[in-house]
Amino acid sequence: QSVLTQPPSVSAAPGQTVTISCSGNSSNIGANFVSWYQQLPGTAPKLLIYDYRQRPSGIPDRFSGSRSGTSATLAITGLQTGDEADYHCGTWDSSLRTAVFGGGTKLTVL
Amino acid sequence: QVQLRESGPGLVRPSETLALTCSVSGGSLRSGTYYWGWIRQPPGKGLEYVGTIYYSGDTYLNPSLKSRLSISADKSRNQLSLRLTSVTAADTAIYFCARAVRSGSLFIDFWGPGTLVTVSS
Repeated sequence: QSVLTQPPSVSAAPGQTVTISCSGNSSNIGANFVSWYQQLPGTAPKLLIYDYRQRPSGIPDRFSGSRSGTSATLAITGLQTGDEADYHCGTWDSSLRTAVFGGGTKLTVL
Repeated sequence: QVQLRESGPGLVRPSETLALTCSVSGGSLRSGTYYWGWIRQPPGKGLEYVGTIYYSGDTYLNPSLKSRLSISADKSRNQLSLRLTSVTAADTAIYFCARAVRSGSLFIDFWGPGTLVTVSS
C-alpha cells in the first residue's frame, strides 16, 4: 500500500492531453515539493519534474506539473506513442520522516 | 555525466543478508551537494525509498527497514554499499542505486540501471 495514491492506469489517443493525479496529505504533498518520474518498460525511472513544476534539462515542455493543496498533477500534451510508460510521483513525508512514492500509473497511448 | 552501476548476488536465501555495491562515476561521494542511496521496486509494483547517505556519513533510512538496514560509503573507491539482514520474500525487488537532491523535499536526479535481487531458498 503506497502512501501516495495514483490511478493504476490512464489512456488517451496520440496528440491528445492526459493528466495523472497523485493524492497525499498535509505531511507530504501539502508540505513538500513533488517530483515525477517516467519509467519505460524494463528500464530505470527517469526524472521528469521536480519541485512541483521544474523540468530538468532535456525534458520537453509537453510535460508539466502542478499542485493544489494535498494533490499534485502531471499533464502530458501532444501525446506520442513513445510516452507509453509507467509514471510515478514522489515527495518527502515530514511525519514519517522518509521519502514516499505513489504506486505508479500506466499510460497507454491508444 | 553521472553513472551508477549496481552489483551483487541475484539470489539470496531467506534469513540471510543481502549485500549490494554501487560504483559511482562522474560524481563524488565526497561532495556535499548531493545525497546517495537506494530505491527498490518489487516486481510489478511501485517504488520504495530504502535510504540515503550524505558525505558526512549521516544516513537517512526508511523507518520500516531501519532495524535491518545499513548504508555506507567508501569515498576512496567512490562506492556505495547496502546491507539488509534477515531478508524475506518481501525483500525481492529491483534495487536501484540513486543520486538524490534534498531541497524542500527529496528527488532522484540520476538512477542506476538496477539489479534484481530474488529472495528464495
